[in-house]
Amino acid sequence: DQQVKQNSPSLSVQEGRISILNCDYTNSMFDYFLWYKKYPAEGPTFLISISSIKDKNEDGRFTVFLNKSAKHLSLHIVPSQPGDSAVYFCATASAGNNRKLIWGLGTSLAVNP
Amino acid sequence: NAGVTQTPKFRVLKTGQSMTLLCAQDMNHEYMYWYRQDPGMGLRLIHYSVGEGTTAKGEVPDGYNVSRLKKQNFLLGLESAAPSQTSVYFCASSYSPGQGGNQPQHFGDGTRLSIL
Repeated sequence: DQQVKQNSPSLSVQEGRISILNCDYTNSMFDYFLWYKKYPAEGPTFLISISSIKDKNEDGRFTVFLNKSAKHLSLHIVPSQPGDSAVYFCATASAGNNRKLIWGLGTSLAVNP
Repeated sequence: NAGVTQTPKFRVLKTGQSMTLLCAQDMNHEYMYWYRQDPGMGLRLIHYSVGEGTTAKGEVPDGYNVSRLKKQNFLLGLESAAPSQTSVYFCASSYSPGQGGNQPQHFGDGTRLSIL
């Protein structure tokens, strides 16, 4: 059973609009959450993270929201740009677990000009 | 600013052959990881290391061995390659002591391995 779920395999958004990518997790012990972006033929690139003591973290156009009671996090990209077209992975870890990450299957985002 | 470097980038093997994938990081990270990515399966952890001379099994360790003789290098070995090991392999590293508990993993660009 998947502990981290990204229920939308793909998402298409117009340039300039908001992109919202979602992720659900099952284990309340998870306390560190990350988003990675991956272009074809490249490795995943770290984008933004949030710890469980916060409910929001912002970095430029990227904001991650964490709802611990719902075991849900989301990534907002505003405004979306064509260069944001990539696969986005949600990952999470629990404290003291040798920093091992558990990964979702990814959401492929297409930002159309 | 190399970060995490994986060699080779591509390789084709015949069933039963052996090979070693090399991962090198220049960030002085303590932890290193080997993943495989397959269509529809996401990233799955094969083996990892929390320091020089240490290794541990991940989610899918069977058919693979690893070694971490030097802090900056993490080797992944396939002793007898099987078609089921056709995949894209990613190496990652993380964790510099003194920089705080939550640190992201940094990835190489992957090795595309085909087993015929």
